[in-house]
Amino acid sequence: SQTIHQWPATLVQPVGSPLSLECTVEGTSNPNLYWYRQAAGRGLQLLFYSVGIGQISSEVPQNLSASRPQDRQFILSSKKLLLSDSGFYLCAWSPTGQGSFHSRAETQYFGPGTRLLVL
Amino acid sequence: AQKVTQAQTEISVVEKEDVTLDCVYETRDTTYYLFWYKQPPSGELVFLIRRNSFDEQNEISGRYSWNFQKSTSSFNFTITASQVVDSAVYFCALSVRRYNQGGKLIFGQGTELSVKP
Repeated sequence: SQTIHQWPATLVQPVGSPLSLECTVEGTSNPNLYWYRQAAGRGLQLLFYSVGIGQISSEVPQNLSASRPQDRQFILSSKKLLLSDSGFYLCAWSPTGQGSFHSRAETQYFGPGTRLLVL
Repeated sequence: AQKVTQAQTEISVVEKEDVTLDCVYETRDTTYYLFWYKQPPSGELVFLIRRNSFDEQNEISGRYSWNFQKSTSSFNFTITASQVVDSAVYFCALSVRRYNQGGKLIFGQGTELSVKP
């Protein structure tokens, strides 16, 4: 069966410090990977998604970046954190849809999340 | 553009009551997918159901049931005989097919359900 891991679970960082959040998936190959942020107001915002190694798409301009160095590893980074980066970060994966390019909008499965507090 | 609206921000019921969570979506695509997720206090989003736009058949899973109506662009979720463990935030989401975009989810703002003993 497939599992998704995120770490750390909780992180408190000062403003201006760097950030690295890691997400790994087990039990599947070539998954689509996603980073979401959930702010205090509850809404979920898609930050980045990746359909393959080295392929990153950004949804909103921001202080964050993402990388996919391996098939099942997705990393969220920042060189200098802002107060507004605080939130709950969720990683998700979905199976690659049939066909090379068209997504079948497969179900996304979420990790346990990382709570980030920037002070 | 796609949009999902969950008009109920918070709902509070007493255990054993039935409760319906509303979801209204907007899209011009003819092929789309609808989802419900549950977010308990621990924070992890738990997948509940996925429906495609060509399947309007209602679904029942234990105490959970879903009513999909394309005519009103709604995908409502009913919990029968609610229990304290049902307390969580519930999200409705929409996804459409796009070239090489991995099936992005558009979420509603969520409905916080509180079931009191």
